[in-house]
Amino acid sequence: QSALTQPPSTSGTPGQRVTISCSGTSSNIGSNAVNWYQQFPGAAPRRLINSKNQRSSGVPDRFSGSKSGTSASLAISGLQSEDEADYYCAAWDDSLNNWVFGGGTMVTVL
Amino acid sequence: QVQLVESGGGLVWPGGSLRLSCAASGFTFRDYYMSWIRQAPGKGLEWISYITSSGDYTKHADSVRGRFTISRDNARNTVYLQISGLRAEDTAVYYCARELGDLGFDNWGQGTPVTVSS
Repeated sequence: QSALTQPPSTSGTPGQRVTISCSGTSSNIGSNAVNWYQQFPGAAPRRLINSKNQRSSGVPDRFSGSKSGTSASLAISGLQSEDEADYYCAAWDDSLNNWVFGGGTMVTVL
Repeated sequence: QVQLVESGGGLVWPGGSLRLSCAASGFTFRDYYMSWIRQAPGKGLEWISYITSSGDYTKHADSVRGRFTISRDNARNTVYLQISGLRAEDTAVYYCARELGDLGFDNWGQGTPVTVSS
């Protein structure tokens, strides 16, 4: 059971906009920054977007992040086949006093 | 460019021990916190340990506290994870990552696999 809750999977057709939610509590997302990570099969994760909504080098501008209260979202505008990957949110948790990740969301391009 | 290279993983018996290493290059290692994060087969990411830049403070997840110990050698630009009392559920790929506080983990190694099995 992950401390942050993400949908296990989502899908869309090329060009469609998809969003991935990340739900937490007042001790993590509600009071700390959220970062998003992308992981392709068989590869190491990489930071996709930081808490300031800045994309890592090479990440296209169709990716964006947002946060409101105890939830955060990652949006992919204009979904591409190369976006098929797993996506994770993460935040510091003040109650647990450690980093927590979401369970991950697999994005499939139909 | 920033590079993190893990090593030391392998097949180990239940109850056994390993020392994982993560060699860093391309940045001033002594200025950064470092973490270890693992991923069990087919599962998500689990943060397990971090160490401050000077090494004077460490923190471990409850799931590994008392069995795993993170340390670093700033002269060798290397962070370590001593893992002992291994259990089947510790089977995972272990990644080291550079930590930037609110900006998260900005660089990751390629990972080193640990398999606990008899």
